[in-house]
Amino acid sequence: DAGITQSPRHKVTETGTPVTLRCHQTENHRYMYWYRQDPGHGLRLIHYSYGVKDTDKGEVSDGYSVSRSKTEDFLLTLESATSSQTSVYFCAISESTLRRDYGYTFGSGTRLTVV
Amino acid sequence: GQSLEQPSEVTAVEGAIVQINCTYQTSGFYGLSWYQQHDGGAPTFLSYNALDGLEETGRFSSFLSRSDSYGYLLLQELQMKDSASYFCAFVTTDSWGKLQFGAGTQVVVTP
Repeated sequence: DAGITQSPRHKVTETGTPVTLRCHQTENHRYMYWYRQDPGHGLRLIHYSYGVKDTDKGEVSDGYSVSRSKTEDFLLTLESATSSQTSVYFCAISESTLRRDYGYTFGSGTRLTVV
Repeated sequence: GQSLEQPSEVTAVEGAIVQINCTYQTSGFYGLSWYQQHDGGAPTFLSYNALDGLEETGRFSSFLSRSDSYGYLLLQELQMKDSASYFCAFVTTDSWGKLQFGAGTQVVVTP
């Protein structure tokens, strides 16, 4: 199995608090992504990274920030959690955008509930 | 805009064949991918079509027609374990490798 782990697996937090989710990979892949999954919407890209300290926004980035200080770690922070951010968050990795089969490998997900 | 449309649910009996259609809108893309996701699990990569035509991987086949902006995933000899959600996805030529997903099709296999 690809070495990608997410932590925590489940979290309940209060509205207005900051929350950080962690994605850790042991594959030395350059590209890392954060998606959120909500019923009826599939997976939507929040932020992505194309290298250490190189990140960019996806389609639903408002209210989120990311950091990547090491190849293996990609952190997603909800700056001030809101109920609309209750979702399942998935991290994904890919070896290269030149690999045209685009076989992303996903982590097991973090189920976040904001109350 | 750029989008992928799929039916929300398909139901079939064990042993049958199911076709999941995906229609898309984009000004340019590299190919069409398919992912499977079981309840509570992570999406897993199934197949990729860079060119028009049929790609076969065991019981699963995927098809792409760029001229019709259409693709499908064919699941043959359905098994109970095939009950899952299936997503089509693409990377557009202006998106720098970012995969965009359809909303997913839930396949329900009944005995």
